Amino acid sequence: DAGITQSPRHKVTETGTPVTLRCHQTENHRYMYWYRQDPGHGLRLIHYSYGVKDTDKGEVSDGYSVSRSKTEDFLLTLESATSSQTSVYFCAISEGTEQYFGPGTRLTVT
Amino acid sequence: AQSVTQPDIHITVSEGASLELRCNYSYGATPYLFWYVQSPGQGLQLLLKYFSGDTLVQGIKGFEAEFKRSQSSFNLRKPSVHWSDAAEYFCAVGAGNTDKLIFGTGTRLQVFP
Repeated sequence: DAGITQSPRHKVTETGTPVTLRCHQTENHRYMYWYRQDPGHGLRLIHYSYGVKDTDKGEVSDGYSVSRSKTEDFLLTLESATSSQTSVYFCAISEGTEQYFGPGTRLTVT
Repeated sequence: AQSVTQPDIHITVSEGASLELRCNYSYGATPYLFWYVQSPGQGLQLLLKYFSGDTLVQGIKGFEAEFKRSQSSFNLRKPSVHWSDAAEYFCAVGAGNTDKLIFGTGTRLQVFP
């Protein structure tokens, strides 16, 4: 298994509160990604990073921000959570063209 | 724009039967194609990939897939399904040099004994 961990694994939060999800890798891979998974939509890319402090937007980036201050950590922040951000969030890493996924974080916004 | 279509939302097969999951893609150049499997409550595991060369690729757990450029398809097959294959399957196409993936909406496979 690729060395990817996500924390927390489950979180319930209230609308309007900030939330930060963490992805940690032990593989020293350059690329890191955040996806969200929703029924009927598959996985959709939120943001990705191609190096420390280098990030870019994905398909569904509105309402999300990211930071990468170290190679091993990629943080996803919901500045003010909304019910539409209830989802399962997956982090992925890659060095070549294959992506390896973390176990996911289930976020519920009430 | 790149896209991936998995036309079957849900497939049910009997254990021991053969399986084919469909995937069609839209991509302007030679695509990188992937199949991932997701068991309930788990992350995604790479089953197999196609980059170039032989159009029939072998993967883990006895799966194979065939790239057909003329049909823009990359269908996943298994000759004899096991109950443990029950899961959701995602086809994906690689887009651009940042290794971003575009996923299909998935096919849920149910296996009856």
